[in-house]
Parts: sequence; C-alpha cells; structure tokens
Amino acid sequence: QSALTQPASVSGSPGQSITIFCTGTSSDVGAYDYVSWYQQHPGKLPKVIISAVVNRPSGVSPRFSGSKSGNTASLTISGLQPEDEADYYCLSHTPGHIWVFGGGTKVTVL
Amino acid sequence: EVQLLESGGGLVEPGGSLRLSCVASGFGFSGNVMSWVRQAPGKGLEWVSKLTPSGDLTWSAGSVRGRFSISRDNSKNTLYLQMYNLRPEDTALYHCVREGFYFFENWGPGALVTVSS
Repeated sequence: QSALTQPASVSGSPGQSITIFCTGTSSDVGAYDYVSWYQQHPGKLPKVIISAVVNRPSGVSPRFSGSKSGNTASLTISGLQPEDEADYYCLSHTPGHIWVFGGGTKVTVL
Repeated sequence: EVQLLESGGGLVEPGGSLRLSCVASGFGFSGNVMSWVRQAPGKGLEWVSKLTPSGDLTWSAGSVRGRFSISRDNSKNTLYLQMYNLRPEDTALYHCVREGFYFFENWGPGALVTVSS
C-alpha cells in the first residue's frame, strides 16, 4: 500500500486560508469516508484535528475543516495563525483493515 | 485521563530482535482496537500494525509483515510489539496508539528503537 500524496510544504500569511490536499486512490481515500488529519508540532505528539473526513473533535478550532472529492481529501485552515505552523498528516483506511498515512505537509506561517 | 506508556526500546544490531510494551490506563483497554505507529528521525508517520480488542485478529504493514508481531494481554492492560530480523530502516520512535472510530485518538510518547552495528 503506497503512501497517500501530500505536498511537502504549504505557506501562507497570517489571516489567510490555505488548503492541504491528500491524494489517494479509489481503494483508499475514494472508497471510505475514514480520512483523518493530524497536526504535529516539533517534538510533540500528533493530534487529531479532523476525523471521518469532516468531523472536528471537541476542542479543535473551527478554523480547521475537512472535505473530500473523489480520491482526494482536503484540509483547510482558515484565518491562519502563527500557532498553526506545524506538520500535517492525512490518514486513510484501506481494504484489509490496513491504514495508510500521507507523507506529511509542513505548514509555514510567513 | 488516558495514558499510554511504551518501554523496551534500545539499540540493537541488524538482524536482532526486540519487544516493545505499552501499558495503558484511564480507559477500557480490553474494548479498544490498538495500533503501533512509528516515525523515523526527521521523517513522516508510518502505521505498523493493529489488532482487535480480543487480540484474535491482527494486520500489519507490508514493510514489517512476517518480521513483526502484535499482541496484547488484556489482564495486564498491555500491548506488545515483537520485532524480529530488525533492519536499519526500522530505526524509529514507536508509538502505541488507541484507536477511536476509524481514527487515532490517543498516542503514547514512544519508545526509540535504533538498529545499527
């Protein structure tokens, strides 16, 4: 199972909106509504910010939103803030109960 | 409060073996799917293996299948990862993860495994 494809880096200015794309196949992202997104600050543990494509866990800022179209899932960060600078990973369920991560995207706040 | 604490990491030579343990507390361990996820230094996240609450069904990534074995002892609230025939590319921080409904809900701080001669 190949890793999902994410851009290596995305940047934006404070207050702007950015979108991170996570591209898979019809066997993973396209087949299940079980895509989740994780934020990881340097030296910290990953934290789930979106589950099941669009669900935002309690306590996660409403500035984070998720969606999916076909084989591509998306994470949008609205009103970009300095504390959003981190690595972001998508995760998808696949056939055979296998999980697959995206390669990760480094978000830089300019 | 959910707590996951890994142990058993260390330095091992290529071809060697190691067993990681993860003691869980703060939730009903026996009712949860559990996974291991690793992160090589400076690299991304990689899912390694998972098993059902009873431990009767397991699944592993292709990169470790046949070399790593996941298991659990629900009487001890403990998850294990037995690793055989270790390779330099297995060097990573190994996290014990509690799964929620099709996402990774809680992460342990990790156990560092270094494979080097």
